Amino acid sequence: EERLVQSGAEVKKSGESLKISCKGSGYNFANYWIGWVRQVPGRGLEWMGIIYPGDSETRYSPSFRGHVTISVDKSISTAYLQWSSLKASDTAMYFCARHQEVMDPYESWGRGTLVTVSS
Amino acid sequence: SYELTQPPSVSVAPGETAMISCGTNNIGSKLVHWYQQQPGQAPVLVIYHDSDRPSGIPERFSGSNAGNTATLTISRVEAGDEADYYCQVWDSRDDHVVFGGGTKLTVL
Repeated sequence: EERLVQSGAEVKKSGESLKISCKGSGYNFANYWIGWVRQVPGRGLEWMGIIYPGDSETRYSPSFRGHVTISVDKSISTAYLQWSSLKASDTAMYFCARHQEVMDPYESWGRGTLVTVSS
Repeated sequence: SYELTQPPSVSVAPGETAMISCGTNNIGSKLVHWYQQQPGQAPVLVIYHDSDRPSGIPERFSGSNAGNTATLTISRVEAGDEADYYCQVWDSRDDHVVFGGGTKLTVL
């Protein structure tokens, strides 16, 4: 069964760093793009960026470029989303999802990681 | 920047047909995907490539895309269809995914 398993909820303070993860299983991890999507409580879905595990090619939304870093460790089928300095406005649920080509849909999603940042 | 416009809310009685629109200039030239999100859960793909249905999604869900509007149609609406629905495309000009603002479907 194809799955994306995300790391657990985090509670942090403003200015702290954080790295959350998304582990794929049941499929060839290297051959599917992994995307990250933010959802602020009560708000809609916001696309943050994607990474292709096969060659680590990465693309960012202009809204998030420079504030987050997307990376991958192909050897353990895991993608990461990290912040070097969190803000209270980063409080949100973060989903990872996979798609085969960039124009294809997100066919499989993780359950999400809730990040809470206090000021 | 590329934006997809959805109505904030749609209300329909059980058994009726719900239509949720997703609009932008010449969206008919793009592949549109639709997701359903129940409260507290991750989104689920319900329509992809304008009108294809993933396995396990009821035939009551259908999609169309032409001109400046893509539409998700839910026939014979059930209480369990009450959820938020999002459209999504790939913006090839700027190389990024775009989501619509979402539509809350209320079953009266």
